[in-house]
Amino acid sequence: KAGVTQTPRYLIKTRGQQVTLSCSPISGHRSVSWYQQTPGQGLQFLFEYFSETQRNKGNFPGRFSGRQFSNSRSEMNVSTLELGDSALYLCASRAQGAGELFFGEGSRLTVL
Amino acid sequence: QQPVQSPQAVILREGEDAVINCSSSKALYSVHWYRQKHGEAPVFLMILLKGGEQKGHEKISASFNEKKQQSSLYLTASQLSYSGTYFCGTTEIGTGTASKLTFGTGTRLQVTL
Repeated sequence: KAGVTQTPRYLIKTRGQQVTLSCSPISGHRSVSWYQQTPGQGLQFLFEYFSETQRNKGNFPGRFSGRQFSNSRSEMNVSTLELGDSALYLCASRAQGAGELFFGEGSRLTVL
Repeated sequence: QQPVQSPQAVILREGEDAVINCSSSKALYSVHWYRQKHGEAPVFLMILLKGGEQKGHEKISASFNEKKQQSSLYLTASQLSYSGTYFCGTTEIGTGTASKLTFGTGTRLQVTL
């Protein structure tokens, strides 16, 4: 069974640009959540999608957005990038009714 | 506020035991434990639910003190493969989803020969 796949794995952007990250969950998992990981703030919840609907949202500005498609694949977008957005962005999928999150290896974003 | 973990870091010799603590100021519904090796994704270890029993398998177990909103992870007879950063993730009563975890500050554990 394939795991959670995130693309791209690494990317470098400059301030003011925007970025789109992609996540393919484990087959059959309809819940996809996104986390930001930084050395200073640790792992922080961004949002969760289930059946194409945002179910929960963390305390991030509106520049951070996401969506989920009918095949459960998800994308997150960050607009008007700031230096502080440099982080590892982790996607996780979860089976319905289960508590275990399966994380992808992440997309490492560097903002210059 | 994120849960506070202690210790922040610990170095063990192979075969030694360790306890990692996770303390929250919120009324918790569940505590989840994950381990992340350097450069890798976090990997699920176990979940403890409010009102549930202590969980564990073989040499890794955990407990959840609902009155104190604290959880402890017990690593016995540590192996080199236990090295990594351990995170607790919590859900609060009423939040309703295991996907919205508030992760702790992390504990870096290194097992040496």
